[in-house]
Amino acid sequence: DTAVSQTPKYLVTQMGNDKSIKCEQNLGHDTMYWYKQDSKKFLKIMFSYNNKELIINETVPNRFSPKSPDKAHLNLHINSLELGDSAVYFCASSQGFSYNSPLHFGNGTRLTVT
Amino acid sequence: RKEVEQDPGPFNVPEGATVAFNCTYSNSASQSFFWYRQDCRKEPKLLMSVYSSGNEDGRFTAQLNRASQYISLLIRDSKLSDSATYLCVVNEAAGNKLTFGGGTRVLVKP
Repeated sequence: DTAVSQTPKYLVTQMGNDKSIKCEQNLGHDTMYWYKQDSKKFLKIMFSYNNKELIINETVPNRFSPKSPDKAHLNLHINSLELGDSAVYFCASSQGFSYNSPLHFGNGTRLTVT
Repeated sequence: RKEVEQDPGPFNVPEGATVAFNCTYSNSASQSFFWYRQDCRKEPKLLMSVYSSGNEDGRFTAQLNRASQYISLLIRDSKLSDSATYLCVVNEAAGNKLTFGGGTRVLVKP
């Protein structure tokens, strides 16, 4: 199936640990994103890559580091996890980086930091 | 004022009824607008883009009012499967930096 897939779906870890979330899309899109959805359900953009180049880097702690080895992959590494990092993280992709490109989301990674 | 605001609801709607809700945005330079649908514990999915002239997709009608800076979504003949959170999304500038509203929850009941 053509899709945006991210792993793992659930991630439970302790404070201070380092963890990674992987994302892959086989839609042929050239732009990928990470969004965070907090407990109040607000979706906020964290990062955006276009053709492996970082385009958007919102005010995110530098404990979060995205890596895009190629156009089809955008991984998120998080160092020194904190309680406030608990949220659902969505990867997304779009074709092009114009204002009219709708997003295709992965099914989310529910991160719980204890 | 939040950049994109929505009434969180829930809107309790009898099956078969019509429901409508708005979303206001603060940046008059906003260029494109979308409605996404998010089911509980699922990812958001594009429902429809919103065009200046208004557009319809089956039972769903979207409108844009640039003068008053809001978009609207109307659902006719509501189905139980329409129960979801509807996210208003605004693209404010060149580049695909979408700003999401907090969502409007719709519950369609028999």
